[in-house]
Amino acid sequence: DVKVTQSSRYLVKRTGEKVFLECVQDMDHENMFWYRQDPGLGLRLIYFSYDVKMKEKGDIPEGYSVSREKKERFSLILESASTNQTSMYLCASSPRQGNTDTQYFGPGTRLTVL
Amino acid sequence: RKEVEQDPGPFNVPEGATVAFNCTYSNSASQSFFWYRQDCRKEPKLLMSVYSSGNEDGRFTAQLNRASQYISLLIRDSKLSDSATYLCVVNWNNYGQNFVFGPGTRLSVLP
Repeated sequence: DVKVTQSSRYLVKRTGEKVFLECVQDMDHENMFWYRQDPGLGLRLIYFSYDVKMKEKGDIPEGYSVSREKKERFSLILESASTNQTSMYLCASSPRQGNTDTQYFGPGTRLTVL
Repeated sequence: RKEVEQDPGPFNVPEGATVAFNCTYSNSASQSFFWYRQDCRKEPKLLMSVYSSGNEDGRFTAQLNRASQYISLLIRDSKLSDSATYLCVVNWNNYGQNFVFGPGTRLSVLP
């Protein structure tokens, strides 16, 4: 089974703090993604990466950055956390081998910014 | 216009009922289609892929109509454990990169 793990299930931070969310997958997938999920808005793509050191902006990249130094690890960084970044953050991975496979998600990190 | 739209729900149905969810997508170049299930406060998990010829997995049947850009999910003999949010997902890229999620439809199966 594909396993995607995230560093924390719950996180509480203060406004202005720098926040790191880590994601690791063990299936040698090329693609990795960061989403946030909010009630009524569904899943929204923040950033994705299709290879080591490569990144692409998603639909809502403002206020976030990412890092992919190793194939299995994709980090999401909130440079200066704000209260409107309180959300559920979901990491996902997928193989780059045609269109028949899909994404596999980690358990999510529920971030609260006070 | 949203790229993937779903019935707003919620759907409240009794055990044993048959329930159908609909989904429409706007990008005619979409390549692959999926239904995900998401339990409360959990991550989305793949329920089933949707193939052009339609496919069935036990009590679940998925249909795709490319001409109408429409996907459906039918659940027969609903169980309490089917209560969840069902997400329609469309991918229009051959490299597994462009997944677009619908907002989801919430299902509650009542005893």
